[in-house]
Amino acid sequence: DSGVTQTPKHLITATGQRVTLRCSPRSGDLSVYWYQQSLDQGLQFLIQYYNGEERAKGNILERFSAQQFPDLHSELNLSSLELGDSALYFCASSGGGGQPQHFGDGTRLSIL
Amino acid sequence: AQSVAQPEDQVNVAEGNPLTVKCTYSVSGNPYLFWYVQYPNRGLQFLLKYITGDNLVKGSYGFEAEFNKSQTSFHLKKPSALVSDSALYFCAVRLYNTDKLIFGTGTRLQVFP
Repeated sequence: DSGVTQTPKHLITATGQRVTLRCSPRSGDLSVYWYQQSLDQGLQFLIQYYNGEERAKGNILERFSAQQFPDLHSELNLSSLELGDSALYFCASSGGGGQPQHFGDGTRLSIL
Repeated sequence: AQSVAQPEDQVNVAEGNPLTVKCTYSVSGNPYLFWYVQYPNRGLQFLLKYITGDNLVKGSYGFEAEFNKSQTSFHLKKPSALVSDSALYFCAVRLYNTDKLIFGTGTRLQVFP
C-alpha cells in the first residue's frame, strides 16, 4: 500500500461531460502530481502542486484543471470530455527534493 | 532534449535466470534516476533510485540497478528471476532542477516457469 488514495476507481461517462477525480496524498507529503496513462501516449505528466500552489505543468489540456486544498488533497477536473480522454489517471505524492513519488492505484476513466 | 529510452518492449526470461531490463537517458545536469514496477490494475510501485554515490543501487524485492555515466544507462537487474516478477517496468528521470519525472515507454517482463 503506497498510502496514496484515489477515488473513484472507475468512472464511466459520456462525451461532453465533466468529471472530478480525487487524490489524498501520503501523510506528510506536500507535493501532488497527476499523470495520464494511455496505450498510445504512455505515461504523461500533467501537473504538480506543492502545498497548495501550482509548481509545474506538463502536457495538460486547457479542458483539464487541478487544485490542491489546504488539507493537501487534490482534485483533477476534466471537462468537455472526448473519447480520447479515456485513460488511467494516476496521482502521486512525494516530499519533493528528489524523493521518490508514490503512486495511487489510479482512476480508470471510460468515455462512451 | 531530456528523455528516457527503454529499447525493449518485452523481455522474456526463465525462472531462476538473471534478468536485465535496459534504460538509457539524456538529461541536463546530474541525473536522478528511478525504476518503478506496475502490476495489472495497480499504480506504479517504487523499486529504487540513483541520486549520487555507488553506481550499483539496491532496491526492493531483490532488484538492483547499475548506473553507468559514460554510457548514460541505468539498467535494472536481478540475479534470479521469479514468476511473480512478471510485470511492466518503467525507468524514469527527474528533470533538472524540478520534481518532474519523464518516464520511458515501459518494458514488459515475462518470467516463465
